[in-house]
Amino acid sequence: SQQGEEDPQALSIQEGENATMNCSYKTSINNLQWYRQNSGRGLVHLILIRSNEREKHSGRLRVTLDTSKKSSSLLITASRAADTASYFCATCSNDYKLSFGAGTTVTVRA
Amino acid sequence: NAGVTQTPKFQVLKTGQSMTLQCAQDMNHEYMSWYRQDPGMGLRLIHYSVGAGITDQGEVPNGYNVSRSTTEDFPLRLLSAAPSQTSVYFCASSYSHPSGGASEQFFGPGTRLTVL
Repeated sequence: SQQGEEDPQALSIQEGENATMNCSYKTSINNLQWYRQNSGRGLVHLILIRSNEREKHSGRLRVTLDTSKKSSSLLITASRAADTASYFCATCSNDYKLSFGAGTTVTVRA
Repeated sequence: NAGVTQTPKFQVLKTGQSMTLQCAQDMNHEYMSWYRQDPGMGLRLIHYSVGAGITDQGEVPNGYNVSRSTTEDFPLRLLSAAPSQTSVYFCASSYSHPSGGASEQFFGPGTRLTVL
């Protein structure tokens, strides 16, 4: 079964606005990763956050991790049309397997 | 570097046929995985390998076989195709993170498989 669950399932925002999506998981993790998938393409890695980290930044992306609540959030600031994609969280346990959620579909309107 | 390559890009099979999806990586990664992606369900792990000669089952292994004779290649075999195996298949590779666990995964472009 899939460990990560993203919320919301879909998000529509205006260009320039921020987009926030959340990921909840059930069991302990070694790290949590966020990926982007443009329509019909392979997934692209965005950020990896380890279980002992609370926040990481990469450009316009900010990821937080709360292991006590078993949840993570991905914030995209100042969104652009090119950010239109599906975003997935994936949890990694100590056996190196990744478990993906069903994803959040983000649409950025011009 | 070509990264992770997959062939074919598209394939149509009839029920009961067998075929092999090819995956290769040129980054000398230890770990390789096969996933399937169905609408609204994200990616589900089929099989994975932590090195040449070592494979293990993922979440949905039934109907699929894998082998890892070299670091570079990780083919996925469909033994007797069924309509339920219609899906998009992704291969991925990664290395071990210095602090343990898997690092970022590098994905291939995918194979769209239809089983009639």
